[in-house]
Amino acid sequence: DIQMTQSPSALSASVGDRVTITCRASQNINTWLAWYQLKPGKAPKFLIYKASTLANGVPTRFSGSGSGTEFTLSITSLEPDDFGTYYCQQYNSHPRTFGQGTTVDIK
Amino acid sequence: EVQLLESGGGLVQPGGSLRLSCEASGFDFSGYWMAWLRHTPGKGLEWVATVRQDDREKFYVDFVEGRFTVSRDNAKNSLFLQMNSLRVEDTAVYYCAVDRGRSHFDNWGRGVRVTVSS
Repeated sequence: DIQMTQSPSALSASVGDRVTITCRASQNINTWLAWYQLKPGKAPKFLIYKASTLANGVPTRFSGSGSGTEFTLSITSLEPDDFGTYYCQQYNSHPRTFGQGTTVDIK
Repeated sequence: EVQLLESGGGLVQPGGSLRLSCEASGFDFSGYWMAWLRHTPGKGLEWVATVRQDDREKFYVDFVEGRFTVSRDNAKNSLFLQMNSLRVEDTAVYYCAVDRGRSHFDNWGRGVRVTVSS
């Protein structure tokens, strides 16, 4: 199975800050990568697919980049609704696997 | 608006069974692959199972193979997960999601909690 490793595992940030989360794959996954946001008690939100394509309705302050084994999710100006836990997911090969998550909370 | 509503969770003893349901609305359910995923604080998100539109092709993660069965009823816009021989490590919040065919998952429900404990 392909292992996905996110860093950091948690970070504290203020509204308006720029935030960057890194996701590394244990082998080449081209650009077959998605990002999600989870909040307790809410439906997970799909953010990005194919490493850099925003899902419908996702604000443009979110962006994704990378290919091969290293990827990033960036939020240019953090808003209150952006706090939560972010996960990357590879779909290069079966089984599809996720990173362990990065929790973004309020400083 | 796409809506997915899971039900059927609860507390069950190790070795027991549960059947989860997911009622879909707001989209052409019969036209999409569907999936179950789960989340635990320790392991994060895990894909569990996926079923093709016609209920004939199914995929499972190895640690549920032979214990869990995914199925669907397109006439009732419903997805199911029959979970047998439950283990303590199956304790999680289970989500149903629209599966873009061995790709990403673009709509999710709010999840249902399953606790396996004696």
